[in-house]
This record gives sequence, structure tokens and C-alpha cells, in this order.
Amino acid sequence: QKEVEQNSGPLSVPEGAIASLNCTYSDRGSQSFFWYRQYSGKSPELIMFIYSNGDKEDGRFTAQLNKASQYVSLLIRDSQPSDSATYLCAVNPRGFKTIFGAGTRLFVKA
Amino acid sequence: GAVVSQHPSWVICKSGTSVKIECRSLDFQATTMFWYRQFPKQSLMLMATSNEGSKATYEQGVEKDKFLINHASLTLSTLTVTSAHPEDSSFYTCSARGGASSYNEQFFGPGTRLTVL
Repeated sequence: QKEVEQNSGPLSVPEGAIASLNCTYSDRGSQSFFWYRQYSGKSPELIMFIYSNGDKEDGRFTAQLNKASQYVSLLIRDSQPSDSATYLCAVNPRGFKTIFGAGTRLFVKA
Repeated sequence: GAVVSQHPSWVICKSGTSVKIECRSLDFQATTMFWYRQFPKQSLMLMATSNEGSKATYEQGVEKDKFLINHASLTLSTLTVTSAHPEDSSFYTCSARGGASSYNEQFFGPGTRLTVL
């Protein structure tokens, strides 16, 4: 079992729709959870982090965390073509090195 | 978010030469820096973790004598690819962690594209 699992996609959504990206992790003691966006040929960019169960909203982005289910998600409302990228879920177990998922490719159709 | 710079952004070199890549945290002190490599259409691969003033910890399969890492200050880490060969051609990116946050966020530099001829 991979430590951080994501569906590789591609996830294709029409412009203006909600994109839902999911991630599961294996270390139950994990404390911090991150979502990064990576455009092709570029480095990852941190867009959200969450550490408590529930939802955290920032603009069009909402991160959701359910520690009991070991599940993290990212919702992107009003998706735009510029949101087309690979989204990396990352988990930090108790201050050790952060583990990155392989990423989900999102494609927003204009 | 915190700013991390990386230099150079791209480099082309001849086989057998060495290449140094710098990673700087511009507005915070990075207690830990990470070096990653990414081949086209593949996942990020962590190469090593470095803490200021101590030896880097390399991931399994990464040759420490080939990829020299120095983290001499809280704002600068360098990766030197020694005797580079075409198979070392890749995208190298660093990230830095530190500052006041306790959530262990990592901030990435813009990356360096290395091409070895």
C-alpha cells in the first residue's frame, strides 16, 4: 500500500464546474496535510494546508480532512481552464519528511 | 507564502562536467531543505534532506558521492551534480521548510532544468 494514494486521472471537468480531488493516506498519526498545484514543467506550488478535521476554505478552494477515514480532498469551485494542472496531495507524519502522492491531473474544458 | 529562489533556472553542460545548483530561502530561515528530481511525466522523487550545519540524508538509491549537498546556512543549500552524464538530465527542484509555522509546510523553488550533452 502506498503511503499517499491519489487517482492519477485525468479528471476532466467543464469550465465553471466543481472539481473534486481525493487522497488517502496510510499513517494514522499524520498531522499536517497539504495540496500543491504543479503546472507542466514547473515546480509545485502550495495552495492549501489543513490540520484539523473538517473543511477549510480559501477563495475557490476548499480542503476537507477526515482523519478517521484517513481521507483528504480538495474542491475547486468555478473551475477555470487555468486550473488545469497536476494536483499533489502531501502528508506530514509527525514532523518527519513530507510524503507526496503521485498527483491527479486535472483538465478544465473551456 | 514564503519565497524560495533557485539558480540557475536551466543549464546545459557537457558530459563529465560538474554542475552546481543553488537554493535560497529569501524571507525565512530554512531549517530543512529538500532536493527533488523529476523526469518527464513522472512523480517527484525525493533525493535528499539537508539540515543546516549537518550532513544530508540521502534516499535509498541516490549516490551521495555523485549528488553533493551542502547546507551551509539557514538560507542556502547547494546541490552539485558531479561528473554529469546524459542520464542525469532532469528537472531538479528544491524546497525549504522552516520559519514560524509549525505545520511543516514546504515551499518550492522554481526548479532547474539540467541537460547533459
